Amino acid sequence: NAGVTQTPKFQVLKTGQSMTLQCAQDMNHNSMYWYRQDPGMGLRLIYYSASEGTTDKGEVPNGYNVSRLNKREFSLRLESAAPSQTSVYFCASLLAGVLGGEQFFGPGTRLTVL
Amino acid sequence: AQRVTQPEKLLSVFKGAPVELKCNYSYSGSPELFWYVQYSRQRLQLLLRHISRESIKGFTADLNKGETSFHLKKPFAQEEDSAMYYCALKVGGATNKLIFGTGTLLAVQP
Repeated sequence: NAGVTQTPKFQVLKTGQSMTLQCAQDMNHNSMYWYRQDPGMGLRLIYYSASEGTTDKGEVPNGYNVSRLNKREFSLRLESAAPSQTSVYFCASLLAGVLGGEQFFGPGTRLTVL
Repeated sequence: AQRVTQPEKLLSVFKGAPVELKCNYSYSGSPELFWYVQYSRQRLQLLLRHISRESIKGFTADLNKGETSFHLKKPFAQEEDSAMYYCALKVGGATNKLIFGTGTLLAVQP
């Protein structure tokens, strides 16, 4: 099993460009999450999908959209990138219904917006 | 308000010294807490969860509801423990959302 995979690993964008970050998991997990990691701020939840067919905003959703394409895939889209979106983005998944359930993380995408 | 506080950005200790990484939380319900770790060039992974009351790699963490704390402890630090440690609080019930602290970088000197 590959676990949680993310593409691309690195990306440089110019202000105003758009892009989609891809995330997939092969663990048959119900729930998926997108976080951003910034120095001194820890991980902050952008969007999540508690189950296939549902998505909801997290702590910092502005400037982002998501799509839960199917049970495996959860993509994050930046419609018009801004320098403030320079960050490392992590996708995670979890098998819901398990007490003390663990979130499994992807390797991250390092995004720079110039 | 729901919040996780890790007051130390950096904790530097010598090999063999005791380690305590502090975590305090604010939550009105019954808390469910975790420690996640990120080693250099590796992905974030679960270290331990309070509900399991387990010891992983020599680390333990006890939930103290009176002090609203979940400090991570290890009696004798090893160089391979050097990593970024995040305390996390589960919120939102069935959504399993996590709120993370800002993280503490543990540096174990030889």
